[in-house]
Amino acid sequence: QQQVKQSPQSLIVQKGGISIINCAYENTAFDYFPWYQQFPGKGPALLIAIRPDVSEKKEGRFTISFNKSAKQFSLHIMDSQPGDSATYFCAASMKGTYKYIFGTGTRLKVLA
Amino acid sequence: NAGVTQTPKFRVLKTGQSMTLLCAQDMNHEYMYWYRQDPGMGLRLIHYSVGEGTTAKGEVPDGYNVSRLKKQNFLLGLESAAPSQTSVYFCASSYGLAGGGNEQFFGPGTRLTVL
Repeated sequence: QQQVKQSPQSLIVQKGGISIINCAYENTAFDYFPWYQQFPGKGPALLIAIRPDVSEKKEGRFTISFNKSAKQFSLHIMDSQPGDSATYFCAASMKGTYKYIFGTGTRLKVLA
Repeated sequence: NAGVTQTPKFRVLKTGQSMTLLCAQDMNHEYMYWYRQDPGMGLRLIHYSVGEGTTAKGEVPDGYNVSRLKKQNFLLGLESAAPSQTSVYFCASSYGLAGGGNEQFFGPGTRLTVL
């Protein structure tokens, strides 16, 4: 019940295409859902985050879609660029807790 | 600001050897974390600290010890390294609880190989 399930494990997209990464959770007590981006040889860095009181959040080409009833959320990268090639982690946390539960990661490769 | 720094960047150990990984942050964060990253397993929390002088176990604490003698430093120790501890280790820090939506800032990682 503490898991966050992430798919796909890897993704190849053509430049200009849309990249979609999905995550699902069971624990309805989760109330904060960030996405972290990790470039090769670097540590993860916060990309975008959402709370369950909204269904969508957009920052530039990156959008989180949130479906509370289905307990799913996804990251959409519009007009994907080779510079977006990285590993993406979804995560979840609940109020009062010290840690994030991370998904297993998706390795995205955007072809030029 | 340097953010979160980790030393060393790479290390090769033989089974049974010991070593200490150092994490330092200059953001005056209360919370610090040690994760390990393995292929297909995401980021798993080893130990964490909610303030100077405090430490607690995470999901995978066995074989590791930690200390937080100074607010800005968080040390991860391996007393007797095993091949199963071959991994990339990340330190992170945050101003407040993850549950409060506080961003965790990660260091660049230490790649450890145990032969």
